[in-house]
Amino acid sequence: GESVGLHLPTLSVQEGDNSIINCAYSNSASDYFIWYKQESGKGPQFIIDIRSNMDKRQGQRVTVLLNKTVKHLSLQIAATQPGDSAVYFCAENFNKFYFGSGTKLNVKP
Amino acid sequence: DAGVIQSPRHEVTEMGQEVTLRCKPISGHDYLFWYRQTMMRGLELLIYFNNNVPIDDSGMPEDRFSAKMPNASFSTLKIQPSEPRDSAVYFCASIWGANTEAFFGQGTRLTVV
Repeated sequence: GESVGLHLPTLSVQEGDNSIINCAYSNSASDYFIWYKQESGKGPQFIIDIRSNMDKRQGQRVTVLLNKTVKHLSLQIAATQPGDSAVYFCAENFNKFYFGSGTKLNVKP
Repeated sequence: DAGVIQSPRHEVTEMGQEVTLRCKPISGHDYLFWYRQTMMRGLELLIYFNNNVPIDDSGMPEDRFSAKMPNASFSTLKIQPSEPRDSAVYFCASIWGANTEAFFGQGTRLTVV
């Protein structure tokens, strides 16, 4: 079929609400996972990471949850702010880093 | 440290010309990655080095692409000859150790006309 490019999932949230961004990873042997934030015109920036021996890790306003049974990661952002608007990528590391396609977060004022 | 430094930030070139992208990783980092980002294919890993040695170049699209890392503080990605479909943003990233976060440069936006 015709390739139309990546369909980037978009999440729109109201400022102050919590955001949850989901990611499915592919390799059950992956043992390290990272969430990155990419703002327009910039390279991806590290937000938070988690190793496979953990289920949850908290940072400042962000929490990452790992469900190894279903190979699923989520990023929770508390009290979302306009500055959180960006594309968010999850990455898994098994010998090398594999990136997901990303989710665009729009924060409405 | 100033972070990962890429040059140039923007490059516009004509089809058939040689293009060289440059990257200076963070001092002390022992892994260096080259990625390409497009709307069509997202963020693709092209090649990565460990201690200046290419480890996996399976993501390099074709023989027109080559990458070198002559020392720990410098790497190049060369496209010869360039084609319009090579237009993309090319990122360089470096890490210390295998399981730590990657630090990305600002990217080089390449346009081949």
